[in-house]
Amino acid sequence: NAGVTQTPKFQVLKTGQSMTLQCAQDMNHNSMYWYRQDPGMGLRLIYYSASEGTTDKGEVPNGYNVSRLNKREFSLRLESAAPSQTSVYFCASSGWNRGGGYTFGSGTRLTVV
Amino acid sequence: KQEVTQIPAALSVPEGENLVLNCSFTDSAIYNLQWFRQDPGKGLTSLLLIQSSQREQTSGRLNASLDKSSGRSTLYIAASQPGDSATYLCAVRLTGGGNKLTFGTGTQLKVEL
Repeated sequence: NAGVTQTPKFQVLKTGQSMTLQCAQDMNHNSMYWYRQDPGMGLRLIYYSASEGTTDKGEVPNGYNVSRLNKREFSLRLESAAPSQTSVYFCASSGWNRGGGYTFGSGTRLTVV
Repeated sequence: KQEVTQIPAALSVPEGENLVLNCSFTDSAIYNLQWFRQDPGKGLTSLLLIQSSQREQTSGRLNASLDKSSGRSTLYIAASQPGDSATYLCAVRLTGGGNKLTFGTGTQLKVEL
């Protein structure tokens, strides 16, 4: 089925370790996004890519970097993980072919100890 | 800055009841509004997408309305079932907002037998 695929689904990191969250979509969407979801805070935008070759900061970009590798793939990197980055991370995409609606991946549950 | 509020934060109803979830937003220059469902530990599933030029959208037992002038949207669920238990999120995309969505914090719905 068409959609957004995220890997890994779960990850435990030690403080200071680095890792990359992968995201790929097969709907030919132009725009892709990374959100984090925390209890009581809702979903907050970390970074987004309006189109291939561009990336922009969202609401909470500190401690993260992103790469729009091609139209399909958008990765999120934590260079030096901190406990405050313990969260559930969601990748999403949107495109004009579906009225601009978003499609979300199933999420990555990250714990930093 | 767009702010999205959902009331109530939590709701418990008996099976079979019709119910309304509310979403309000502060900036009426929206491109579209999307309602999502999120089950515990899962990702977001799109329920309904309303474009700014539309007044309502329907899918099965769900009906979503949009009143841009008053900054409000409602999600109506008819004949609720225990399987409807989930958190419901509304999200607003601004015109010219770089395709970004702003989310409300959600309404946690429990439908009891």
